[in-house]
Amino acid sequence: ELKVEQNPLFLSMQEGKNYTIYCNYSTTSDRLYWYRQDPGKSLESLFVLLSNGAVKQEGRLMASLDTKARLSTLHITAAVHDLSATYFCAPSRWGSQGNLIFGKGTKLSVKP
Amino acid sequence: KAGVTQTPRYLIKTRGQQVTLSCSPISGHRSVSWYQQTPGQGLQFLFEYFSETQRNKGNFPGRFSGRQFSNSRSEMNVSTLELGDSALYLCASSLVGLLDNEQFFGPGTRLTVL
Repeated sequence: ELKVEQNPLFLSMQEGKNYTIYCNYSTTSDRLYWYRQDPGKSLESLFVLLSNGAVKQEGRLMASLDTKARLSTLHITAAVHDLSATYFCAPSRWGSQGNLIFGKGTKLSVKP
Repeated sequence: KAGVTQTPRYLIKTRGQQVTLSCSPISGHRSVSWYQQTPGQGLQFLFEYFSETQRNKGNFPGRFSGRQFSNSRSEMNVSTLELGDSALYLCASSLVGLLDNEQFFGPGTRLTVL
């Protein structure tokens, strides 16, 4: 059974600082999805990582995937208040993308 | 291109009642998945439908059921509602066959059971 662990679960950081969110998972997966959720809103897709060593960047966010270590990271560079949200990771396998198992989420709060 | 739509957006029911939630996927998407989100349990997979067939089911009691129509629209039903069913119910759709098979989520239906 796939288990997904994100840490930290809560992250309070100041604007301009860097930080990394970690997503560890327990069974073989060949892809991983990162989503963002604002309070009271739905999930917004951030990144789709499809292979070992995949790295994707969008603005101040960069995600990477190490399938051998069963680890993905979401790195935040020079945080701004607009990045405040909850971030979820969901590893998956080809053919099982329709039933994602999510981590508990990392609630990020960026303070001025 | 219109996104995933869900109706109703908010719903208040009492224990013992039943409820039906609706989801219209992005045009051309044939896979629809349902998730329940609660503060305690987080995001949990309910079921996935493709071509009117349930492909996968999460670990939920039989009170939770769903179906998909020929136009890919999907409904989920919860019978004999319990207080613990209060949650945000999210529907997601995806194209099948693409390498990334990314899921796109709707705005959700917030169900409150009193």
